[in-house]
Amino acid sequence: KQEVTQIPAALSVPEGENLVLNCSFTDSAIYNLQWFRQDPGKGLTSLLLIQSSQREQTSGRLNASLDKSSGRSTLYIAASQPGDSATYLCAVLNDMRFGAGTRLTVKP
Amino acid sequence: GAVVSQHPSWVICKSGTSVKIECRSLDFQATTMFWYRQFPKQSLMLMATSNEGSKATYEQGVEKDKFLINHASLTLSTLTVTSAHPEDSSFYICSARDVSSYEQYFGPGTRLTVT
Repeated sequence: KQEVTQIPAALSVPEGENLVLNCSFTDSAIYNLQWFRQDPGKGLTSLLLIQSSQREQTSGRLNASLDKSSGRSTLYIAASQPGDSATYLCAVLNDMRFGAGTRLTVKP
Repeated sequence: GAVVSQHPSWVICKSGTSVKIECRSLDFQATTMFWYRQFPKQSLMLMATSNEGSKATYEQGVEKDKFLINHASLTLSTLTVTSAHPEDSSFYICSARDVSSYEQYFGPGTRLTVT
């Protein structure tokens, strides 16, 4: 059974820092991996989708990488802003398994 | 981009009553939809996979007689919480898989409170 783990569980950084969120999965036979953002009490906002044949995807200040052989994905956020404060979730789509999320706080 | 809607966005019901939540893909077809439950400060837990025209597949520990799922068309799936109890209070989120791109799109969620 696929297990998805996210580290760290919580992260607090000052504005402007570059940061990395980690996601690991136990079964490397994944189809796609997707990163989401969730604001308190809200639904999910899709950030980046990485297909199994890809190694990374970029959107603005966000970059997500995928290494299937090691069972890892990272989400890189450049020049963090207070508006980036949210919970970030990764999901292995073929198994529909979510990590527990990383709760990010960016302090002004 | 593709949009998934959920209705209602929030609902309060009395213990023992049933509540139906709708999930619609607005501009794409979805042969597969997923229902999740999220408790406060926890991640999403997959409840069931809904396939158009066939019975839903439930995750272990999810009571299929309590959480009735109907995927009647390529754009609509419904989740009915039967005989709701306070412990069913949660945030319910659906997602739909686009048949052409295979990408997942998530609804905004439905907050259910059972009193």
